[in-house]
Amino acid sequence: NAGVIQTPRHKVTGKGQEATLWCEPISGHSAVFWYRQTIVQGLEFLTYFRNQAPIDDSGMPKERFSAQMPNQSHSTLKIQSTQPQDSAVYLCASSTGTDSGNTLYFGEGSRLIVV
Amino acid sequence: GEQVEQLPSILRVQERSSASINCTYENSASNYFPWYKQEPGENPKLIIDIRSNMERKQIQGLIVLLDKKAKRFSLHITDTQPADSAMYFCAASADSGGSNYKLTFGKGTLLTVTP
Repeated sequence: NAGVIQTPRHKVTGKGQEATLWCEPISGHSAVFWYRQTIVQGLEFLTYFRNQAPIDDSGMPKERFSAQMPNQSHSTLKIQSTQPQDSAVYLCASSTGTDSGNTLYFGEGSRLIVV
Repeated sequence: GEQVEQLPSILRVQERSSASINCTYENSASNYFPWYKQEPGENPKLIIDIRSNMERKQIQGLIVLLDKKAKRFSLHITDTQPADSAMYFCAASADSGGSNYKLTFGKGTLLTVTP
C-alpha cells in the first residue's frame, strides 16, 4: 500500500498565479480531507469529501480556493490568484470514513511557496 | 463548529521524565479524540485515540485521559526518550448529522526530550 500520494511535493509560484495540488487517497478509502499547515495556525481544516461528494467546505477561503473529487482515486485543490499568505503545506488525508473515529492517513504534503 | 485549544505550545523535558499535553474542546457532541505525532519533515501519524465512552486508555508509555464534564483531554508520555521529540497534535470530532466526521486539531505542542 503506497499510502496517500500528493503531488507536487514542492511548488513555488508567483503572486497572482494559479496553483493546483493533487491527491490520490488510499485505495478503498471513501473519505478525503484537505488541511493546511502553517507554524502559526497549525493544522487547519479546509474541506472534506465522502464517496466523492463534498460534505463540508467550511474551512475553504471562499473566493480563490476550490476543491474537487472527480473520481474515487483523485482529488484536487486549486488556488487561484495565489497570495503570499497562501504559502503553507497542504496536507491531504484519507480514511475509511465509515463512522466517527476513523484514523486519518496523511500524505507527505505539498509545500506551496508564493513569492 | 468545534474549537480545540492545546497547551503548552512548547514543552521541554529531560529524558526518562513524563510529559503532559492538555487539550480542551467546545462541542459537547464531540465523541472521538485522537492524538497525532509529527516528526520533522514527516506527515502526522496517529499514535493513540480515545472515544467518549472511555475515561482512560493506555498504549505502552502513552496514556490518554478524557474528562467529558470539563471537556478536557490529555496525553501523558511516561519515561520519555529523545525519540519522543516531535510535534504532537490533539484533535476532536463529532458526528454531525450522520456523515460529517471532520477532525478539528489543536495548534500543536513541540516536545523536546533532552538526554
